[in-house]
Amino acid sequence: NAGVTQTPKFQVLKTGQSMTLQCAQDMNHEYMSWYRQDPGMGLRLIHYSVGAGITDQGEVPNGYNVSRSTTEDFPLRLLSAAPSQTSVYFCASSYSYRGNNEQFFGPGTRLTVL
Amino acid sequence: GENVEQHPSTLSVQEGDSAVIKCTYSDSASNYFPWYKQELGKRPQLIIDIRSNVGEKKDQRIAVTLNKTAKHFSLHITETQPEDSAVYFCAASSSSNTGKLIFGQGTTLQVKP
Repeated sequence: NAGVTQTPKFQVLKTGQSMTLQCAQDMNHEYMSWYRQDPGMGLRLIHYSVGAGITDQGEVPNGYNVSRSTTEDFPLRLLSAAPSQTSVYFCASSYSYRGNNEQFFGPGTRLTVL
Repeated sequence: GENVEQHPSTLSVQEGDSAVIKCTYSDSASNYFPWYKQELGKRPQLIIDIRSNVGEKKDQRIAVTLNKTAKHFSLHITETQPEDSAVYFCAASSSSNTGKLIFGQGTTLQVKP
């Protein structure tokens, strides 16, 4: 298993540009989530999904869109990038089974918005 | 919504000493509390978790305690080693939706040889 994969690893954008961060998992996990990590602020939940076709907002959803058309993929779209979105982005996935809820994280995408 | 506060933000101990990191949460519906370790430049990885029907859980040198009444839980690392140096995060969620984890701000642990 590849686990959770993310592309790209690094990205530089100009203010106002749009882009999609890709996330895929091959563990047949129902839950998938996107987090951003900023110094001193821990991991903040952007959006999450409990299954294909179902998404919901997390703590900091503004400026981001998601969709979940398949169990495997959960892309994160930045509609109009702003410098405040400079961060490291992590995708994670987990089972919904109560006895096994470990979230597995991808390697992260480091995004810089100029 | 849920809010998780974590203290201290930094912790420095001598090798062999114990380290304790504390978290409080606000949502009484939360009943799943994992701890993650993140080494520099790497992804977070689960080290231990606890559910609300258990007061304490141990795994070798690591233990977690939970006080549901007070809404706080703690991570205890005994006999610390230099390889324990990392950032540790606590988190909370409802077990009905563990895709929605709310994290604390993190604790940078330094273990001095």
